[in-house]
Amino acid sequence: AQTVTQSQPEMSVQEAETVTLSCTYDTSESDYYLFWYKQPPSRQMILVIRQEAYKQQNATENRFSVNFQKAAKSFSLKISDSQLGDAAMYFCAYRREETSGSRLTFGEGTQLTVNP
Amino acid sequence: DAGVTQSPTHLIKTRGQQVTLRCSPKSGHDTVSWYQQALGQGPQFIFQYYEEEERQRGNFPDRFSGHQFPNYSSELNVNALLLGDSALYLCASRRGQGSAEAFFGQGTRLTVV
Repeated sequence: AQTVTQSQPEMSVQEAETVTLSCTYDTSESDYYLFWYKQPPSRQMILVIRQEAYKQQNATENRFSVNFQKAAKSFSLKISDSQLGDAAMYFCAYRREETSGSRLTFGEGTQLTVNP
Repeated sequence: DAGVTQSPTHLIKTRGQQVTLRCSPKSGHDTVSWYQQALGQGPQFIFQYYEEEERQRGNFPDRFSGHQFPNYSSELNVNALLLGDSALYLCASRRGQGSAEAFFGQGTRLTVV
């Protein structure tokens, strides 16, 4: 079974600075997707960034970028120029497509605090 | 576009009762998944519905059941509620299978007393 591990229950960063959230996963598959989701107090899970395992290039979305190390099964999220609105719980997630469907496997989350 | 909508937003039930949660997927989406998120934890996959059939199921007892209607909306039913069923229940929808991204609703907060 696939597992996703986030070893940092809490992180904090100063506004305008950079922070990196860590994620490792375990799978025997070679074709899959990885995601970072943000969950603010409103509870809605919002997709931040996604990475296809077959792509060597790291995904970027504005201030958000990932460091995808497939051999090491590592998938970290870097947030640059942190803003107060970035404060939230961040979840790393894994998904593999199967003929029967798919499911997201989430880590335990990292609570990010942004200090003004 | 209304996005994924869930109802109700909050619910309080007594142990042993039954509950039904509802989800309307985002326009154009036909696949619905349900997740249970206990306080302070990551969401856990319950099951996925596509073409009105349960396609995948997570490690949840048979007390958890679901249904998908022809308009792609879905219900999650939980029988014989336990205190441990207290959680945020999230619905996610996507278009078909393959690489499509999933969009989440704001969830239903279920409290069992």
